[in-house]
Amino acid sequence: DAGVIQSPRHEVTEMGQEVTLRCKPISGHNSLFWYRQTMMRGLELLIYFNNNVPIDDSGMPEDRFSAKMPNASFSTLKIQPSEPRDSAVYFCASSPGLAGVSGNEQFFGPGTRLTVL
Amino acid sequence: SQQGEEDPQALSIQEGENATMNCSYKTSINNLQWYRQNSGRGLVHLILIRSNEREKHSGRLRVTLDTSKKSSSLLITASRAADTASYFCATAVNDYKLSFGAGTTVTVRA
Repeated sequence: DAGVIQSPRHEVTEMGQEVTLRCKPISGHNSLFWYRQTMMRGLELLIYFNNNVPIDDSGMPEDRFSAKMPNASFSTLKIQPSEPRDSAVYFCASSPGLAGVSGNEQFFGPGTRLTVL
Repeated sequence: SQQGEEDPQALSIQEGENATMNCSYKTSINNLQWYRQNSGRGLVHLILIRSNEREKHSGRLRVTLDTSKKSSSLLITASRAADTASYFCATAVNDYKLSFGAGTTVTVRA
């Protein structure tokens, strides 16, 4: 299994540009998560999908951020327009089930390092 | 806000020594997970301990859980250079959401 695949690995863009991050979860996993990691705020959950449906997007910082999951094997996180404060590492993770009682682990992709100039 | 907090923030040890880090959390839990993150990589799951367990082993890793103190510890025995990484504890805030601590950065010196 290739694990969670993210692209691009690095993205450098200028303020105001649109950025699209892509994720392919592990086949058979029905939960998908987008996280943002910064030194200041640590690892933050942005949005959670279950069976391709967004369940919790309360972590999405503002309307400039949007995420979609058109099918079980693909998800995108879009920032439009991008701002310098969006610079961070964005991780996609997938899981075969729930974390709460079941304790299912999350499988993380390698991340996309985004720099907005 | 973060549910779990690791201590210390950073740890530097000699190869072959043991490394111990702690995690404190705020609310009752069903289980607690530990993850490792190597520089420039994603997080990797290490071990899960359930609330009815007090200790668990996996290779050179030993995890303890004290629900009365709302704390957990991760011990890495006979450390190697490859153990250099950041270590995070994670607890479930609800059915799907994991809350990660700020992490402990471990440096193993050759």
